[in-house]
Amino acid sequence: DAEITQSPRHKITETGRQVTLACHQTWNHNNMFWYRQDLGHGLRLIHYSYGVHDTNKGEVSDGYSVSRSNTEDLPLTLESAASSQTSVYFCASSEQREDDEQFFGPGTRLTVL
Amino acid sequence: DAKTTQPNSMESNEEEPVHLPCNHSTISGTDYIHWYRQLPSQGPEYVIHGLTSNVNNRMASLAIAEDRKSSTLILHRATLRDAAVYYCILRPGISNFGNEKLTFGTGTRLTIIP
Repeated sequence: DAEITQSPRHKITETGRQVTLACHQTWNHNNMFWYRQDLGHGLRLIHYSYGVHDTNKGEVSDGYSVSRSNTEDLPLTLESAASSQTSVYFCASSEQREDDEQFFGPGTRLTVL
Repeated sequence: DAKTTQPNSMESNEEEPVHLPCNHSTISGTDYIHWYRQLPSQGPEYVIHGLTSNVNNRMASLAIAEDRKSSTLILHRATLRDAAVYYCILRPGISNFGNEKLTFGTGTRLTIIP
């Protein structure tokens, strides 16, 4: 069965370190998204991609970057981790249709000390 | 993006129907109404969506007001597994790049009472 996976599921890092969160989908979807969710809040969009070599900034993109070298993967990089980036991160993917649903991964819980 | 308003929380008894309201008075004619839910410690999952007509699927029903300024997600017979945060989201329906992303609010936390 097609799926979307994230790794690691949990990570603890230190302030200033570079961290990369992996997202891999086997749906062959063109669209991929990264969200973060903080306690008591809904999901906020960080970056998104509509295809290979395409990347776009979401509403909370500062301090994050993504690259899309193939259809299946959209890694999220925190260039220099900050305590404010402690959060749960969700990756999602969808078809490129007008009303298509997004499929979400299980999330990565990141703690920056 | 057009905004939605939902109650922060609701409670319902197990095995009874649940009606989750959503107001979206600034909806445009091409906005789709999407519902997602997020179970504890999981990523969101799609529930249902519609444009103008009421919709049914295996999970729920979506009732859309005639003026489209509000909608109601209906769980016909709530179970304990339906306890989750439910998000009502408007998604622009114009078939161009830039409209696939979702804007989540804070949703409604649904508690099911055994």
